[in-house]
Amino acid sequence: DGGITQSPKYLFRKEGQNVTLSCEQNLNHDAMYWYRQDPGQGLRLIYYSQIVNDFQKGDIAEGYSVSREKKESFPLTVTSAQKNPTAFYLCASSSWTPHSAYGYTFGSGTRLTVV
Amino acid sequence: KNEVEQSPQNLTAQEGEFITINCSYSVGISALHWLQQHPGGGIVSLFMLSSGKKKHGRLIATINIQEKHSSLHITASHPRDSAVYICAVLGNQFYFGTGTSLTVIP
Repeated sequence: DGGITQSPKYLFRKEGQNVTLSCEQNLNHDAMYWYRQDPGQGLRLIYYSQIVNDFQKGDIAEGYSVSREKKESFPLTVTSAQKNPTAFYLCASSSWTPHSAYGYTFGSGTRLTVV
Repeated sequence: KNEVEQSPQNLTAQEGEFITINCSYSVGISALHWLQQHPGGGIVSLFMLSSGKKKHGRLIATINIQEKHSSLHITASHPRDSAVYICAVLGNQFYFGTGTSLTVIP
């Protein structure tokens, strides 16, 4: 079955370390997204990518970096510059047309805890 | 100000009750999604709407573009419906509501 795989589900890191979250999709979707979810807040967009080798900053990109070398993969690196990295991170993908996003699909998320 | 407002924030219902969750938005949109998030965290897209009404099993979603309002209805609610329901609208980007936490008691 097609879908999005995020790994790992739970991740613990020491303060000051960079950490990379994996997101892989086999839906042949052009667009991929990274969101951060904090208690009591809506999902906030970190980065998104509409095509391979191109990505755009979202609302809260500071302290994060991404790459899109393959259509299937959109890894997110949480750097030591991110002041409050402990959060739930969700990856999503969709087919993309200029004014719509079909087949919007989410991964199961990675809960990152920095100690 | 949030572009997407949901109400109520929390909702507890008895099994079998009819449930309504509301979503109002302030931006121009091309589509609205209703999402379901279970305690494990994964999110499932329930509906994508651009007009009118959609039905899937016991779930019904409606949207009024002129009033910038959408509702998600659950008929004959069941404990397995317990989850967080999130409204998301697609304008120049996706905007998300903070979610409605639904608990259905047996």
